[in-house]
Amino acid sequence: AQTVTQSQPEMSVQEAETVTLSCTYDTSESDYYLFWYKQPPSRQMILVIRQEAYKQQNATENRFSVNFQKAAKSFSLKISDSQLGDAAMYFCAYRSAGGATNKLIFGTGTLLAVQP
Amino acid sequence: EAGVTQSPTHLIKTRGQQATLRCSPISGHTSVYWYQQALGLGLQFLLWYDEGEERNRGNFPPRFSGRQFPNYSSELNVNALELEDSALYLCASSLAWYFYTEAFFGQGTRLTVV
Repeated sequence: AQTVTQSQPEMSVQEAETVTLSCTYDTSESDYYLFWYKQPPSRQMILVIRQEAYKQQNATENRFSVNFQKAAKSFSLKISDSQLGDAAMYFCAYRSAGGATNKLIFGTGTLLAVQP
Repeated sequence: EAGVTQSPTHLIKTRGQQATLRCSPISGHTSVYWYQQALGLGLQFLLWYDEGEERNRGNFPPRFSGRQFPNYSSELNVNALELEDSALYLCASSLAWYFYTEAFFGQGTRLTVV
């Protein structure tokens, strides 16, 4: 069975600084997707970034980028130029590419605080 | 374009009662997923519906059930409510699995069992 681990329950960053959130996963599959979701106090889960395992190039979305290390099964999220609106719970998630289950497997989350 | 909508926003029920939660997916999405987010337990996969059929089920007892209607909206029913069913229930939708790129979530229904 696949598992996702986020070892940092809480992180803090100064506004305009850079922060990296860690995520590791365990799987025997070779083809899968990895995601970072953001959950602000409004509760709605918002997709931040997506990575296909077969792509070697790290995904980037504006100030958000990932460091995907397939062999190490590591998928960290880097937030550059942090803004107050980035404060939220961040979840790392895994999904098999096969489609048989289609479910997302989530880590336990990292609560990010942004200090002005 | 409307996102995933869930109703009600909050629901308070008594132990032993039944709760019904509703979800409308994004237009064009045929897959609907239900997740439970309980304090201290993270997000747990409950159910996946696609084209009106239950495709996959998480490790939850049978009193958690649901259905998907012809318009792809979905209902989650929780029978014989227990105190530990208190949680945020999140619905998500996506294109059919063979076109799947990402799932979009609603704002959730906060279920409180007293």
